Amino acid sequence: GESVGLHLPTLSVQEGDNSIINCAYSNSASDYFIWYKQESGKGPQFIIDIRSNMDKRQGQRVTVLLNKTVKHLSLQIAATQPGDSAVYFCAENNSGGSNYKLTFGKGTLLTVNP
Amino acid sequence: DAGVIQSPRHEVTEMGQEVTLRCKPISGHNSLFWYRQTMMRGLELLIYFNNNVPIDDSGMPEDRFSAKMPNASFSTLKIQPSEPRDSAVYFCASSLRQGVAGNTIYFGEGSWLTVV
Repeated sequence: GESVGLHLPTLSVQEGDNSIINCAYSNSASDYFIWYKQESGKGPQFIIDIRSNMDKRQGQRVTVLLNKTVKHLSLQIAATQPGDSAVYFCAENNSGGSNYKLTFGKGTLLTVNP
Repeated sequence: DAGVIQSPRHEVTEMGQEVTLRCKPISGHNSLFWYRQTMMRGLELLIYFNNNVPIDDSGMPEDRFSAKMPNASFSTLKIQPSEPRDSAVYFCASSLRQGVAGNTIYFGEGSWLTVV
């Protein structure tokens, strides 16, 4: 079936650098996307979302980009800090279908080196 | 404000034993989810409740798994009998209303289950 996947399972960056985490999705019916952060021993935490009628959305130090043509989603973290070290998941939703259901990617482990 | 509260945080049990995981959603939230997380399969939705009613249990692996929501502030996920392949982190999550879009889902800290 259709699913969400990630290009890079691990990413290591230096403190202060910008991080880019990528995600590919294959369900063309998905129209809502979320990035979650999961720290060790904790549950996923909402970071930022984007609807399919947008191609970019910015939050505090984070930006999500959506390219519907190639079904690609990315999370950019500016000035990465040690506290950003975590696993990052993208998730997709079809709000016109099972609107409660999120399909999660496998996750990317981000390690920030001091 | 208290978030989603799960118990136990950690459980180690022997194969064949019954396991009961508990969840208290955020007060006022009408939607409740149980997810399972493993390295192999990632985060999977097991069951979804809306207004205490199970809406979608298609993710429940087999009859050994059951979930209940007797009232708006409590849910259980039960595994009987447990098997080693059930070892995983089980997350409960809640949201204010049905529908993900624009409606933040809050996850608990998880129940880490090991079946030996």
